[in-house]
Amino acid sequence: GNSVTQMEGPVTLSEEAFLTINCTYTATGYPSLFWYVQYPGEGLQLLLKATKADDKGSNKGFEATYRKETTSFHLEKGSVQVSDSAVYFCALLSSGGGADGLTFGKGTHLIIQP
Amino acid sequence: DSGVTQTPKHLITATGQRVTLRCSPRSGDLSVYWYQQSLDQGLQFLIQYYNGEERAKGNILERFSAQQFPDLHSELNLSSLELGDSALYFCASSVDGGETQYFGPGTRLLVL
Repeated sequence: GNSVTQMEGPVTLSEEAFLTINCTYTATGYPSLFWYVQYPGEGLQLLLKATKADDKGSNKGFEATYRKETTSFHLEKGSVQVSDSAVYFCALLSSGGGADGLTFGKGTHLIIQP
Repeated sequence: DSGVTQTPKHLITATGQRVTLRCSPRSGDLSVYWYQQSLDQGLQFLIQYYNGEERAKGNILERFSAQQFPDLHSELNLSSLELGDSALYFCASSVDGGETQYFGPGTRLLVL
C-alpha cells in the first residue's frame, strides 16, 4: 500500500535559517505529492503540490521537487520566519482516477525562534 | 478560509453514544472526504463521496458511516463511541475527485 515517511520533530531553527524537511514515499504508479501546513488550532492548508516527476511546487518561499528516482519530495525554504512555526504534513494521492483519499506522513512540528 | 464549513466545532459525549458531524463543501465541489486526526494514528482517510455516491473507503470502522445529500453537504455518523474515537475529524472537498483537496477547520470530538 501507499505510505509517506517524514522526519519527526520538533525541528527548532532560528529566524532566517535554511529549512529542509525530508519526505519519502512508497506508492504504485505515479502519485501526486503535496505539502500541507497546519497552524495551531486550525485546519490543513495546501502549501504546494507537484503532479509529475521533476515538477517543482512552490509557494510563499517554500519549494519541493518531485524526485521519482529517489521517491522523495523534500520541503525547503531559504530563510524561515517566526510565522512559519506550524506542523507540516507531506502527503500523496495515488493516480487512481480521483477515487482515493490522501495518505499523510506523521507531520513535522517546526518551531522558529526569533 | 478554505470555504469548507464544519459543525459543530467541538463535541463532548459519553461512551456508547452516537454523534453526527456535518460538512458543507466549497461551492461547486462535488467530492467530499472525511479524515480522522488522532495522536496515535495521525491523519487517516476515512471515506470519500462524489455527487452523492460513495467513491472510496479508507480506514473507516464499521461503527462509522457517512452520506452525501442532494445539496452536496455530508454527514459523518459515529456510533457506539469509545474513548479511542476522541480525535479531530476533518472534512475536505474537491471539484471532481481530482487532486487538490480543501480542508475545513475540523470538529474536535471528546468521548468521556
